[in-house]
Amino acid sequence: AQSVTQLGSHVSVSEGALVLLRCNYSSSVPPYLFWYVQYPNQGLQLLLKYTSAATLVKGINGFEAEFKKSETSFHLTKPSAHMSDAAEYFCAVSGEDYKLSFGAGTTVTVRA
Amino acid sequence: DAGVTQSPTHLIKTRGQQVTLRCSPKSGHDTVSWYQQALGQGPQFIFQYYEEEERQRGNFPDRFSGHQFPNYSSELNVNALLLGDSALYLCASLEVSRTDTQYFGPGTRLTVL
Repeated sequence: AQSVTQLGSHVSVSEGALVLLRCNYSSSVPPYLFWYVQYPNQGLQLLLKYTSAATLVKGINGFEAEFKKSETSFHLTKPSAHMSDAAEYFCAVSGEDYKLSFGAGTTVTVRA
Repeated sequence: DAGVTQSPTHLIKTRGQQVTLRCSPKSGHDTVSWYQQALGQGPQFIFQYYEEEERQRGNFPDRFSGHQFPNYSSELNVNALLLGDSALYLCASLEVSRTDTQYFGPGTRLTVL
């Protein structure tokens, strides 16, 4: 079975500041890890994914995440926040069964 | 290339009624999964369909059932609606043999009164 824990339900950052969203996973098999973003009243959009290739994964909109097996972590970062980054972010894990298990989500607000 | 589409976008039902939600997968995708997202929570896996059969199921009661058609589109049926069934229902699709990435539709917002 797989699960993820997102640390911090709400993150507030200033425009131009670093965005750091934390995710720890638990998996009995080599995991596939994902970060999705959800804007109000919309579905989920894939930001990036880790599937056992490079441990540093680059995604869309300037986001990246690093897979650290020793820490069972897959934290999401963006060097400089933009107002358009305000949204809900979900970390998710699956095995080869493609059944996604999501975290509870982290709401990001960006201050001007 | 159209992405995953879902219908309707919003739905209001009363307790005890039945509802059917529909999903058309992204072109070329043969696997459809359904997720329930309650307000303020992450999505929860309901079930997955491949080759017109339910392949996996999450921790949801038998009131939740589904179907996949030969064109890979899918339906989610919920019987005997409860207030707690109010949620955003998301459909996701992928092509099992070619990708490990699921693409999500915009969802159907179900309100049970």
